[in-house]
Amino acid sequence: QITLKESGPTLVKTSETLTLTCTFSGFSLSTRGLSVGWIRQPPGRAPEWLASIYWDDDKRYSPSLRNRVTITKGSSSDQVVFSMTNMAPADTGTYYCARANTLESRPWIDWGQGTRVTVSS
Amino acid sequence: DIQMTQSPSTVSASVGDRVTIACRASQSIRDWLAWYQQKPGRAPKLLIYKASTLESGVPSRFSGSGSGTEFTLTISTLQADDFATYYCQHYNTDSRAFGQGTKVDIK
Repeated sequence: QITLKESGPTLVKTSETLTLTCTFSGFSLSTRGLSVGWIRQPPGRAPEWLASIYWDDDKRYSPSLRNRVTITKGSSSDQVVFSMTNMAPADTGTYYCARANTLESRPWIDWGQGTRVTVSS
Repeated sequence: DIQMTQSPSTVSASVGDRVTIACRASQSIRDWLAWYQQKPGRAPKLLIYKASTLESGVPSRFSGSGSGTEFTLTISTLQADDFATYYCQHYNTDSRAFGQGTKVDIK
C-alpha cells in the first residue's frame, strides 16, 4: 500500500521560509521513472504545481516560483523535503505531496492528505 | 506558459444525466492531459491520464477524449458519488498547469 504524508508548520510569518517534509511508504524513490512532487491549493482555488524530484535526482520547478522553492531528497530514503522562501499571505493554502510515474506517463497517482499552511504577520 | 481553461465553471445535473466538461489548452499539448476529481477536504484523485486512459479502479462511466488543444471529460451516467469538482491538468512540461475547475452540483 502506497502512502504519503506531509508534515511541517501550520503557521508561518510573512517573509519566513516554509519547510515541509513528505514521508512516504510503499515505494522507493530510487525506482526508475518515479517522482515526488509538491502541489498547493489556495482556499477555494485550483491546485498549483510547485516542484518535483525524480528517481535520478533531477529536479523541476514551477517557472513562476523557481526563485523561491527548493526540493531535495531527505536524509532518510523515504522522505522528500520542500522549502519556499519569503512567504506571503498569498501563499496560504493546503500543500500536498504526490507520487507520479514518468515511465507510465501517469501524473499524480497517489496523494498525501495535505497540510494546511497559514501565512500571517 | 501554457494556460488551461475549463468550461463551464459549474454544471447542475441530476443522477443519471450525461455530463460533459471541456478543457482548452493555450497551445498544443498533444495528449499530455489528466483529469482529477476532488471532493471537499480531500486531495484530488486521478481519473484519466494521457487524455483518454482510465486510471486503474476508476469506473468506466468516466471517459476522456481530445488531443492538441481541445479535451473533454464525460461522465456517461452521473452517480451520487460523482458530485465534486473536476480539474484538467497539462503535464510533461515545466508548466503543468491546472484548469480552474468545474463543479458538478445537484440540480
